[in-house]
Amino acid sequence: DTEVTQTPKHLVMGMTNKKSLKCEQHMGHRAMYWYKQKAKKPPELMFVYSYEKLSINESVPSRFSPECPNSSLLNLHLHALQPEDSALYLCASSHQSASYEQYFGPGTRLTVT
Amino acid sequence: GENVEQHPSTLSVQEGDSAVIKCTYSDSASNYFPWYKQELGKRPQLIIDIRSNVGEKKDQRIAVTLNKTAKHFSLHITETQPEDSAVYFCAASRNAGNMLTFGGGTRLMVKP
Repeated sequence: DTEVTQTPKHLVMGMTNKKSLKCEQHMGHRAMYWYKQKAKKPPELMFVYSYEKLSINESVPSRFSPECPNSSLLNLHLHALQPEDSALYLCASSHQSASYEQYFGPGTRLTVT
Repeated sequence: GENVEQHPSTLSVQEGDSAVIKCTYSDSASNYFPWYKQELGKRPQLIIDIRSNVGEKKDQRIAVTLNKTAKHFSLHITETQPEDSAVYFCAASRNAGNMLTFGGGTRLMVKP
């Protein structure tokens, strides 16, 4: 299985809502990533988990809260988001580090109203 | 930190022609350089990558070249086809590093 899955595919939420994005891989990868991608822009790194520990937090606002319950799962908890947070949220995984191929999930298209 | 610049931002070619996309990087410690293709509404997918101990790598119609001294690398697509139309991103990473730095992307349009 060489696929990263993400749920939901689409999410519309109000600024007072709490929601979670989920990501799963069963390739035995030990590095997992959250990216934010705006239209016509490259993916922008948010968080990196290495061996289930948060290793990089790219100065992301606290309204985004990552969680890695186990080596196959990665969550992104959302609370009190702003309209400018509307974007495609991509999860990715790689063997051990960013010097290996990253496999991306299909993304969650988030709209904040 | 690493900074990756990519040119051109858009590229239009006729079917059958070649396309070349160029990237420069700033961190001399970077040694892994992947290229990703992202079709409209789809996820980025790796099409080819190169490590700093290699100067060139080829996979059918796609090739990547790396000049470590000048800190630039390029993607070459020969005999382009309409299905090559997509956004292409170059990226760079250090050995065992946790961060992949992307270039700004090139929108390639192949006209039939």
